[in-house]
Amino acid sequence: KQEVTQIPAALSVPEGENLVLNCSFTDSAIYNLQWFRQDPGKGLTSLLLIQSSQREQTSGRLNASLDKSSGRSTLYIAASQPGDSATYLCAVGASGNKLTFGGGTRVLVKP
Amino acid sequence: DARVTQTPRHKVTEMGQEVTMRCQPILGHNTVFWYRQTMMQGLELLAYFRNRAPLDDSGMPKDRFSAEMPDATLATLKIQPSEPRDSAVYFCASGFYRDFLGDTIYFGEGSWLTVV
Repeated sequence: KQEVTQIPAALSVPEGENLVLNCSFTDSAIYNLQWFRQDPGKGLTSLLLIQSSQREQTSGRLNASLDKSSGRSTLYIAASQPGDSATYLCAVGASGNKLTFGGGTRVLVKP
Repeated sequence: DARVTQTPRHKVTEMGQEVTMRCQPILGHNTVFWYRQTMMQGLELLAYFRNRAPLDDSGMPKDRFSAEMPDATLATLKIQPSEPRDSAVYFCASGFYRDFLGDTIYFGEGSWLTVV
């Protein structure tokens, strides 16, 4: 059974600092990995999708890497802003597009 | 701007009552998911459909939960009878799947259920 872990559970950084969020998974036989953002009281917003054949994806200040062999993905957010404060979840995609979620990392960017 | 639409957004009900949550997936998506989010368990997959056919509902308590897709524009999740432990946020999500490749999954805003 796939298990997805995100450490730390919470992170606080000053504005302008780069954010590094970690995600690890136990079964490397994945189809893809997706990073989401969740604001309080809201649904999940997809940030980046990395297919299993890819090593990384970039969108603006966001960059996500994937290392299947070690069971790890990292989300980098450059030059953090207070608006980046949210919970970030990674989800590993298996057969049939089913996603297994990590517990999330709650990020606070202080002005 | 295509989005997954869920109703109701909030629901407070008494224990024992029936609860029905509805979801309109994004047009053209062939896969629909129901997830439940709680503080203790995080996000759990309850059930999912491909081309309206149920593929997996192993995450759902079978005795009280049921999920259906009467047509391509509507998915429903029903709880009967509801219990306080069902209090959670229920998310519907949709995506397009083909040839062993999964596409981005899009989530609705969720149905916030409180059973008292």
